[in-house]
Amino acid sequence: DAMVIQNPRYQVTQFGKPVTLSCSQTLNHNVMYWYQQKSSQAPKLLFHYYDKDFNNEADTPDNFQSRRPNTSFCFLDIRSPGLGDAAMYLCATSRGDISYEQYFGPGTRLTVT
Amino acid sequence: KQEVTQIPAALSVPEGENLVLNCSFTDSAIYNLQWFRQDPGKGLTSLLLIQSSQREQTSGRLNASLDKSSGRSTLYIAASQPGDSATYLCAVFPNDYKLSFGAGTTVTVRA
Repeated sequence: DAMVIQNPRYQVTQFGKPVTLSCSQTLNHNVMYWYQQKSSQAPKLLFHYYDKDFNNEADTPDNFQSRRPNTSFCFLDIRSPGLGDAAMYLCATSRGDISYEQYFGPGTRLTVT
Repeated sequence: KQEVTQIPAALSVPEGENLVLNCSFTDSAIYNLQWFRQDPGKGLTSLLLIQSSQREQTSGRLNASLDKSSGRSTLYIAASQPGDSATYLCAVFPNDYKLSFGAGTTVTVRA
């Protein structure tokens, strides 16, 4: 089945220790998104790729970076995680045409100790 | 900037009762509206996508309506079951690729 896969599902890192979250998709969608979701809040868009074009949200901290080496994979790097970065990180994809329907992965729960 | 509001934030109903979930948005210039379900600690599952030219979409016990002019969408879930307990989020697509989400309505269906 075509899907969006996120690894790992749970990640524990230490304060200040870099961490990378990964997302892969078999849908062949050209747009990929990273969202941060804290408890009882709406998902907050961090950035998205349209093909290879990177689009950063204005309020995304510099501590968050992303890489998309090919159509199928996208990575979220947190250079120096703080306690406030503990959250669920959601990856999503879409075809980027007028449909705009987004398909989400299961998420990675990040804990910062 | 598009603002999406979902009221109430939480809802508890007995099994069998119909659920009515509300979503309002401030800018009617949208392409689509999407309803999602989220179980605790999990990702988002797409339930229904309504194109801006449509008034409603149906899938099984779910029906979603869209009134762009008034900036409202309603998700109806018929004959609720305990398995319907989850958080339901609506999201709108303004004129770019970025969803604007509501904070969700957390539903509890009591057996």
